[in-house]
Amino acid sequence: AQSVAQPEDQVNVAEGNPLTVKCTYSVSGNPYLFWYVQYPNRGLQFLLKYITGDNLVKGSYGFEAEFNKSQTSFHLKKPSALVSDSALYFCAVMSYGQNFVFGPGTRLSVLP
Amino acid sequence: DSGVTQTPKHLITATGQRVTLRCSPRSGDLSVYWYQQSLDQGLQFLIQYYNGEERAKGNILERFSAQQFPDLHSELNLSSLELGDSALYFCASSVALAGEGNEQFFGPGTRLTVL
Repeated sequence: AQSVAQPEDQVNVAEGNPLTVKCTYSVSGNPYLFWYVQYPNRGLQFLLKYITGDNLVKGSYGFEAEFNKSQTSFHLKKPSALVSDSALYFCAVMSYGQNFVFGPGTRLSVLP
Repeated sequence: DSGVTQTPKHLITATGQRVTLRCSPRSGDLSVYWYQQSLDQGLQFLIQYYNGEERAKGNILERFSAQQFPDLHSELNLSSLELGDSALYFCASSVALAGEGNEQFFGPGTRLTVL
């Protein structure tokens, strides 16, 4: 069975500081990993994905994520946080032939 | 704008009633997915259709049903509504089948309130 954990319900960071939102996963087989962001009263927006290849994936709005197979992690990072990055972030995993499984979400607050 | 449209945006109804939520996928996408998002349950996968056929079922109640039409739009039918069905319902689409590494694109959602 597939599962995703986002160990932090809430992450607070000061504007201009680097941010990390954590995600760990469990799948049988090779994982496909995704990050989505949800702003208030909006649908989820795709940020980036890892399918294969380079472990560091770059996505929208300056976000990147690092795939670590040995630690089964796919943490989302940004070098310098903006107040406008404040939102709910979801990690998702799938493996071939399976559907998405979303994590519970992490609320990011960037403080001015 | 993801290109996925959902109607209505808001829906308020009473317990025991039946409602229909509508979704139009992005142009060219063959797969449609329905999700329920509630405060205490997170984002729950309900059901997936691919080119008109049901392909996967998640945590969908028997009171709920869905279909995908020849023009690829999809409808989610919720019947005998209960207070606990109040939630945001999202539709998403992707170009191909799930599990091929294709990202899903989400619509803006329908907020259902059952009174």
